[in-house]
Amino acid sequence: NAGVMQNPRHLVRRRGQEARLRCSPMKGHSHVYWYRQLPEEGLKFMVYLQKENIIDESGMPKERFSAEFPKEGPSILRIQQVVRGDSAAYFCASSPRDDNQPQHFGDGTRLSIL
Amino acid sequence: GESVGLHLPTLSVQEGDNSIINCAYSNSASDYFIWYKQESGKGPQFIIDIRSNMDKRQGQRVTVLLNKTVKHLSLQIAATQPGDSAVYFCAENTKGYSTLTFGKGTMLLVSP
Repeated sequence: NAGVMQNPRHLVRRRGQEARLRCSPMKGHSHVYWYRQLPEEGLKFMVYLQKENIIDESGMPKERFSAEFPKEGPSILRIQQVVRGDSAAYFCASSPRDDNQPQHFGDGTRLSIL
Repeated sequence: GESVGLHLPTLSVQEGDNSIINCAYSNSASDYFIWYKQESGKGPQFIIDIRSNMDKRQGQRVTVLLNKTVKHLSLQIAATQPGDSAVYFCAENTKGYSTLTFGKGTMLLVSP
């Protein structure tokens, strides 16, 4: 499967714990985007990264949330000290370039906070 | 017919009918638009895209129409099939870096 791979598919955390969500882009894609989706809503942009660089993090809360896309390995979205309001589906997308190419999405990580 | 449900607008059609899903966008500077299909428990799946220098684009069984004057986008699905049942989102590019702004979505229900 050469698509965008996300893991885990489901993640359960207690309030105050840390959540780490991973995303491996499609082969040949160097642009990664993270989105959050609440039930029955559209996706909301969080952060856009290229290898080793954050290009746009305007949609990501300034506290507790961070993202990286290292030279080697998957992109990571990290949420520290999770709260109930962090419960959502988190989707990763990738594209080969940034000049209006369609983004291809993974199947998401469903995060539940107890 | 089309109705507004508690959360998502829903379009119910019979198998074999043509479906039209509409989307209004807000940013007149948007220059790239995409339609995605999302099935339950899955990520958005790319259907078709269109750039602002076009007003119509066709794919297999799908057509996207863009009316920049009224900032309106539509997705037409010909000969709708039960497998087309899903939530459909339009998305627009509002920045040069291809970060997408998604609409609220329309649920399409296809009855056999």
